Amino acid sequence: GENVEQHPSTLSVQEGDSAVIKCTYSDSASNYFPWYKQELGKRPQLIIDIRSNVGEKKDQRIAVTLNKTAKHFSLHITETQPEDSAVYFCAASYGNQFYFGTGTSLTVIP
Amino acid sequence: DTAVSQTPKYLVTQMGNDKSIKCEQNLGHDTMYWYKQDSKKFLKIMFSYNNKELIINETVPNRFSPKSPDKAHLNLHINSLELGDSAVYFCASSPGDSNQPQHFGDGTRLSIL
Repeated sequence: GENVEQHPSTLSVQEGDSAVIKCTYSDSASNYFPWYKQELGKRPQLIIDIRSNVGEKKDQRIAVTLNKTAKHFSLHITETQPEDSAVYFCAASYGNQFYFGTGTSLTVIP
Repeated sequence: DTAVSQTPKYLVTQMGNDKSIKCEQNLGHDTMYWYKQDSKKFLKIMFSYNNKELIINETVPNRFSPKSPDKAHLNLHINSLELGDSAVYFCASSPGDSNQPQHFGDGTRLSIL
């Protein structure tokens, strides 16, 4: 089965700096990679996703990159703000099966 | 309208009791899921149903029994609750096709006394 590893488990950055979260996956059949943000006490919410036929995708301050050969994908947040503080989950998917990373707790220090 | 709705939002009960959590989605999705999120924040898949049929049953004690009366509903019944069952349980749904995200409910916080 698929195995998704996510690093780091915790990340603290100063407001305005960039944050990078990295994930690796094991199953080459995975072809869809969503990222979720979970604020304290809330549900996970999709913030960006990337499909296997694309190497990079950007949405304002958030970008995701995918390297299918190396089986890794990353989330990049630029110009971080205190409201970016949350737990972030990567996932790898094929069909209707989703495999989540273990989460990264991001703290943005004002 | 809430896309994926779970009830109740909070559930506090005694060890040994039996309880149910309900989930409904109005997105027309074919696949529904139950996840358990413990204090370490891991999102652990428990069950997945596609069009009312079980497709994933991870190593979950048989005290947990999902029931899907139709593809818009996936309820979770838990018998003989134990202290270790305390967690937040999330329901989610997805279209079932490749390359489409899951949508999560707001979660049910289960506390066992």
